[in-house]
Amino acid sequence: GAVVSQHPSWVICKSGTSVKIECRSLDFQATTMFWYRQFPKQSLMLMATSNEGSKATYEQGVEKDKFLINHASLTLSTLTVTSAHPEDSSFYICSASGLAKNIQYFGAGTRLSVL
Amino acid sequence: GESVGLHLPTLSVQEGDNSIINCAYSNSASDYFIWYKQESGKGPQFIIDIRSNMDKRQGQRVTVLLNKTVKHLSLQIAATQPGDSAVYFCAELASGGSYIPTFGRGTSLIVHP
Repeated sequence: GAVVSQHPSWVICKSGTSVKIECRSLDFQATTMFWYRQFPKQSLMLMATSNEGSKATYEQGVEKDKFLINHASLTLSTLTVTSAHPEDSSFYICSASGLAKNIQYFGAGTRLSVL
Repeated sequence: GESVGLHLPTLSVQEGDNSIINCAYSNSASDYFIWYKQESGKGPQFIIDIRSNMDKRQGQRVTVLLNKTVKHLSLQIAATQPGDSAVYFCAELASGGSYIPTFGRGTSLIVHP
C-alpha cells in the first residue's frame, strides 16, 4: 500500500521557537496533502489542504501565518508552527492522496510539546 | 471536513468475540465511506471502504454495512483480537465535491485477553 512518512515523530521545543514537520509520500505522487491536529481522545481536526505548487487552503479558525504550509513537490509537504506556544502542543498528522482522490494515506503523526 | 471533538465512546469486548462499531453520518450527498483504525500514538490506517451503491462489503475479518436510509454505517470485526484494540473512525465523502472527508468522532475498542 501507499506509504506516507512523517518526521519528526516527537519534538519538544521552547516557547517562541519555530518547528518544522515534514510529510513525504514515499511510493506515490501526492497531488493533495492534508494536515490535521488531534487532541487527546478526540477526532481529527482538519487544519488545511494543500495541492502541489499552490497555496494551502486553511480551515476556518486556523491561522495561516501561525501554521505555514508548503507543498513544493508531489512528494513533500511541510508544516511550520511559527513562534510556538504551549497551547500549540498537540498531535499533528499529515495525509496524502494520489490518483485515488477518495483515499487518504496517513503519516504516523508528530507529537509537539512546547515548554 | 471539521469533526466535533467529544470524549470517545468505548466498546469493550473479550478476545474472540465479534465487535460491532457504529457510525452515523450526516450528509445525504456522501457517496463514499471509509473506516480507519488508529492505534495509540500513531496515524490512522485505512481498513475498508464502501461506495453508496453497495450495502455490504467484506474484507479480511471485517465487514462494513451501509444503511443509506438512516445514514448509518457499521464496522464488524470477527473474532476480535488484542491487536484490534484501537480507535476506529468512520469518514464520509461526497466524491463529486472537494474530496475532503468528514471524520466521525471515533470509537475506542478495547479487547480483553
